[in-house]
Amino acid sequence: AQKITQTQPGMFVQEKEAVTLDCTYDTSDPSYGLFWYKQPSSGEMIFLIYQGSYDQQNATEGRYSLNFQKARKSANLVISASQLGDSAMYFCAMREMNTGFQKLVFGTGTRLLVSP
Amino acid sequence: NAGVTQTPKFRVLKTGQSMTLLCAQDMNHEYMYWYRQDPGMGLRLIHYSVGEGTTAKGEVPDGYNVSRLKKQNFLLGLESAAPSQTSVYFCASSSSWTGSTDTQYFGPGTRLTVL
Repeated sequence: AQKITQTQPGMFVQEKEAVTLDCTYDTSDPSYGLFWYKQPSSGEMIFLIYQGSYDQQNATEGRYSLNFQKARKSANLVISASQLGDSAMYFCAMREMNTGFQKLVFGTGTRLLVSP
Repeated sequence: NAGVTQTPKFRVLKTGQSMTLLCAQDMNHEYMYWYRQDPGMGLRLIHYSVGEGTTAKGEVPDGYNVSRLKKQNFLLGLESAAPSQTSVYFCASSSSWTGSTDTQYFGPGTRLTVL
């Protein structure tokens, strides 16, 4: 069963507006971590933000915030004040802590295009 | 501090040829990983290593071998390349498995085409 689901193949947003990229996950492990990575056209994977399953508050990193709804098993990425440089692929990933190894499972990604 | 580096960046092979991809990290990380990225499928773990001299299979290990002779290096080998191994290969490293916030840092990727 797919553990990370990103249902939006592509998203469009205008510069300076906010955008939400969806991510839902499936796990029976009570201890897990959720990550978002950005992959620009140059190809590298850039870590953006992390949320732990026991974290009380939603994670924030600059213009990035993670809307973590544990009961709904969703971990959406919110990008505020979009910039042209935000155009990229975005991947949600999960790590289950009790598997004995920190394997990351990735979703299929969402391509974000920011227009002027 | 270069982080995670990969060589080569691009390679074209003929079916049946062999090659080795090299990953190096200068962050003194214990854990290293090899992923492949195919269109529409995200990243999938091929092999990983939890320390020098150790390796283990990931999600899609068939057709690949790995070695971790030195802590800073993780090699991915294709003994007999097949067109199905055409992909972008990413190496990553991380510092520990007990720290929940420890993230994986990725190399720039190697684009491999098997004809």
